[in-house]
Amino acid sequence: NAGVTQTPKFQVLKTGQSMTLQCAQDMNHEYMSWYRQDPGMGLRLIHYSVGAGITDQGEVPNGYNVSRSTTEDFPLRLLSAAPSQTSVYFCASSYGVAGIEQFFGPGTRLTVL
Amino acid sequence: ELKVEQNPLFLSMQEGKNYTIYCNYSTTSDRLYWYRQDPGKSLESLFVLLSNGAVKQEGRLMASLDTKARLSTLHITAAVHDLSATYFCAPRGSNYKLTFGKGTLLTVNP
Repeated sequence: NAGVTQTPKFQVLKTGQSMTLQCAQDMNHEYMSWYRQDPGMGLRLIHYSVGAGITDQGEVPNGYNVSRSTTEDFPLRLLSAAPSQTSVYFCASSYGVAGIEQFFGPGTRLTVL
Repeated sequence: ELKVEQNPLFLSMQEGKNYTIYCNYSTTSDRLYWYRQDPGKSLESLFVLLSNGAVKQEGRLMASLDTKARLSTLHITAAVHDLSATYFCAPRGSNYKLTFGKGTLLTVNP
């Protein structure tokens, strides 16, 4: 199993550009989520999904869209990048809402100029 | 809304000493996670605490959970340099969402 994979590892954008951060898992996990990590802030939940076709907002959803068309993939879209979205983004998954372990991907470091 | 207060935020220890990191949370949670993060790396799961009174130990780290007090602790025994990292607690609240503390940056000095 590859676990949770994220691409790209690093990305630099200009203000106003859009892009998609990719997240995939090969463990047949139902629950997937996106977090952003900023210095001194811990991790904050952006969006999450409890299964294919079902998504919901987390703590800081503004400026981001998600969709879950398959169990494996959970992409995060930045519609119009802003410097405030400069952060490290982590994707995580677990086996259903009762799943004990949350598996985190390696992260994507995004800089918006 | 679940709020998490973790303290201290910075902890500088000497090797061989003991210390405790505290994690207070504001509303009911059905489980609590502890994670370790090394600089530039992802999060590594340390413990999952599922019930009141749960205690788990791995090496020099021991975590406990008191759901009535809404408090979890991560105790470090006889610290060694390899334990230097940032430690996060994350209780799980409504809709199965994790809320993370701000993290404790632990530095263990020789």
